[in-house]
Amino acid sequence: DIQMTQSPSSLSASVGDRVTITCRASQGISNSLAWYQQKPGKAPKLLLYAASRLESGVPSRFSGSGSGTDYTLTISSLQPEDFATYYCQQYYSTLPYTFGQGTKLEIK
Amino acid sequence: QVQLQESGPGLVKPSETLSLTCTVSGGSISSYYWSWIRQPPGKGLEWIGYIYYSGSTNYNPSLKSRVTISVDTSKNQFSLKLSSVTAADTAVYYCAISHGDYFQNWGQGTLVTVSS
Repeated sequence: DIQMTQSPSSLSASVGDRVTITCRASQGISNSLAWYQQKPGKAPKLLLYAASRLESGVPSRFSGSGSGTDYTLTISSLQPEDFATYYCQQYYSTLPYTFGQGTKLEIK
Repeated sequence: QVQLQESGPGLVKPSETLSLTCTVSGGSISSYYWSWIRQPPGKGLEWIGYIYYSGSTNYNPSLKSRVTISVDTSKNQFSLKLSSVTAADTAVYYCAISHGDYFQNWGQGTLVTVSS
């Protein structure tokens, strides 16, 4: 299985801050990466796919980048509704699909 | 927009079989891939497996010996069976649709507790 490691595991930030979350794969995944946001008691919501493509309806303050094994999710200016847990997921050719362990973004 | 809704027992006894159904509304199940994903309380996400509308399946090797996913296109539903459950199978179970290999729409999730 491809292992996905996110850092940090938790993060405190303030409204208006720029925040970056990193996801590292145990092998190259050729941009086959998605990012999700999950709020307490809710299902995850797709934010980006193909490492950098924004899902329809997702605010443009969310962006993604990376290549090979290393990927980042950036929120350019944190809004109150962005405090949540974020997960990366790889969907490279070899199943199973695997997720990172999550990054909890909390209000400072 | 396609909506998904999980249903099934919230409590299952150890060694028994967990059975859940996902009902799809607002669209046809006769396309795309339909997955089950679970999340133990306070933990991360684990993909269980998917079924294509034609009936072809793919399962997570860690669960493959215990998992069966099936589809009923006439009812616009797909189902999960997980046999020989233990407390480690206690989780919120989600159904989801994928057009590619990522999950665009999710059900709200249903908590299944394994306990005697």
